[in-house]
Amino acid sequence: NAGVTQTPKFQVLKTGQSMTLQCAQDMNHNSMYWYRQDPGMGLRLIYYSASEGTTDKGEVPNGYNVSRLNKREFSLRLESAAPSQTSVYFCASRRRPTVSYNEQFFGPGTRLTVL
Amino acid sequence: AQSVTQPDIHITVSEGASLELRCNYSYGATPYLFWYVQSPGQGLQLLLKYFSGDTLVQGIKGFEAEFKRSQSSFNLRKPSVHWSDAAEYFCAVGAKQGAQKLVFGQGTRLTINP
Repeated sequence: NAGVTQTPKFQVLKTGQSMTLQCAQDMNHNSMYWYRQDPGMGLRLIYYSASEGTTDKGEVPNGYNVSRLNKREFSLRLESAAPSQTSVYFCASRRRPTVSYNEQFFGPGTRLTVL
Repeated sequence: AQSVTQPDIHITVSEGASLELRCNYSYGATPYLFWYVQSPGQGLQLLLKYFSGDTLVQGIKGFEAEFKRSQSSFNLRKPSVHWSDAAEYFCAVGAKQGAQKLVFGQGTRLTINP
């Protein structure tokens, strides 16, 4: 079980370039999430997918788009990167919740720098 | 709106000393509460969680946390820290129903003095 995997691990972009961050989970989880982590601000939710076929905006969605390709994969796209999108991006997943089980599992992160 | 406050940005303790990391939350109902730990350059690992029932919850690596509804707090404790506990710690709150959009605190960076 690899858990939640993210590619790439590191990326440097120039302002205006586009790229897609990939996330996959092999735990048969239903929900998937994208967060960004900035110093002193904790993690903030960008987009999430409660189940296959659905996506919704989180706290900071501007400048991003997502695709829930199938149950395993959830990608995050930056159409025109800006320096303000320099951050560490984390993908997470969660299985169908029960009364006592409701946590999210996180990937190792992608460190993105926009020059 | 949901919010989480971790008042201490950085804490330094000596190895073997006790530890308490503070977390206060604002939420309209009883939430799910979590503590995650992040080692340098790594993703987040769940330490413990509170859903309901006993307000003192035990987690991995010898950590525990106590939910106090009257104080809207969920403080993390460890009786004796080890050098390997040096990391960043995040408190998070999520809804009991629905998609569970977690709201995180700002994080507390823990440094251990030998």
